[in-house]
Amino acid sequence: DVKVTQSSRYLVKRTGEKVFLECVQDMDHENMFWYRQDPGLGLRLIYFSYDVKMKEKGDIPEGYSVSREKKERFSLILESASTNQTSMYLCASSLIGSGNYNEQFFGPGTRLTVL
Amino acid sequence: ELKVEQNPLFLSMQEGKNYTIYCNYSTTSDRLYWYRQDPGKSLESLFVLLSNGAVKQEGRLMASLDTKARLSTLHITAAVHDLSATYFCAVADYGGATNKLIFGTGTLLAVQP
Repeated sequence: DVKVTQSSRYLVKRTGEKVFLECVQDMDHENMFWYRQDPGLGLRLIYFSYDVKMKEKGDIPEGYSVSREKKERFSLILESASTNQTSMYLCASSLIGSGNYNEQFFGPGTRLTVL
Repeated sequence: ELKVEQNPLFLSMQEGKNYTIYCNYSTTSDRLYWYRQDPGKSLESLFVLLSNGAVKQEGRLMASLDTKARLSTLHITAAVHDLSATYFCAVADYGGATNKLIFGTGTLLAVQP
């Protein structure tokens, strides 16, 4: 089974802090994604990566950056956390190519609260 | 820009009843995914629909895809309390280097005894 893990389930930070959210997958997937989930808005894509050191902006990249130094690890960075970044953050991964139908597998999520 | 709409957003139903959740999307795509999310938990894949006319069933849930109408349905038969969850549809967006998924806003299903 694909396993996607995230470093924290719950995180509380203060406004202005630099925040790192880590995601690791163990199935050698090329693609990795970071979403945020807010009530009534569904999942919105922040950034994604299709290879090591490659990244692309999603729909809401402002205030975020990412890092992918190794294939299995994809980090989301909040350079200076703000209260409007309080949310549930979900990481996902998928294989390139038709064999896996681009199905995304999700981690357990990190609920971030910024005070 | 691909947009995905789900309705209803909230569905309260009695055990034993049938109902359908609808997922409409705005531009051409031939891959559609249904996910389930339990409260406080992550998303679990339910169905992957790969072509026009695709139908998949698992237990009391059945999903179908009509790519010409840009519509997928998730039909619930004889609902039970264990089906209470939020259901998301997602559509493959083929623009760019990686196939992204665009998610609907989700349907919160509450099955009452």
